[in-house]
Amino acid sequence: DAKTTQPPSMDCAEGRAANLPCNHSTISGNEYVYWYRQIHSQGPQYIIHGLKNNETNEMASLIITEDRKSSTLILPHATLRDTAVYYCIVRGFMTTDSWGKLQFGAGTQVVVTP
Amino acid sequence: NAGVMQNPRHLVRRRGQEARLRCSPMKGHSHVYWYRQLPEEGLKFMVYLQKENIIDESGMPKERFSAEFPKEGPSILRIQQVVRGDSAAYFCASSPGTSGGVYSYEQYFGPGTRLTVT
Repeated sequence: DAKTTQPPSMDCAEGRAANLPCNHSTISGNEYVYWYRQIHSQGPQYIIHGLKNNETNEMASLIITEDRKSSTLILPHATLRDTAVYYCIVRGFMTTDSWGKLQFGAGTQVVVTP
Repeated sequence: NAGVMQNPRHLVRRRGQEARLRCSPMKGHSHVYWYRQLPEEGLKFMVYLQKENIIDESGMPKERFSAEFPKEGPSILRIQQVVRGDSAAYFCASSPGTSGGVYSYEQYFGPGTRLTVT
């Protein structure tokens, strides 16, 4: 029961910014937006998360719309090593039933090309 | 700081045998999660454990699967009487719980154990 919708795939040129959209129209006030990625068959890697404010770290930026119904993960300068499946996940606070588990959908397969 | 460790990385079992998968969380982490990824499918949550407690096992198959996280030692995912449909990658993740007085539960994943049932 994934609560998010992502495009199945997208291509990005090396060195350019990659903008990955995610719709989460049913998100509730006590739910965060998390992003993970899985490179080939490795373990998923945490990227970033946010509640309502935009967030930035050394890997990426997360832009959440004011109504919180959608978000965009931005990889500012994509490299070939960023080729992976990217997962957008909605996750509740620890007082909710869903807070412990990460519910992965199909994600977006991002291919960075030279 | 070593990451989450899982062993073995690859495990081959014949149908009917038992499989034991081990997960050592990151140092200082007291929460462990297990996920399964069947071939060509997405990751599915199985179980969430804290030391000596199962918090959420809503994703665990009702039979043959069990998990523990003892006070000392790694977390163990045990699959009894394996069948071919159990062939998958099993990932373990850990999170700190509290860090500096703030609850932090980003999950950090290990490299996985690839189970093949012949």
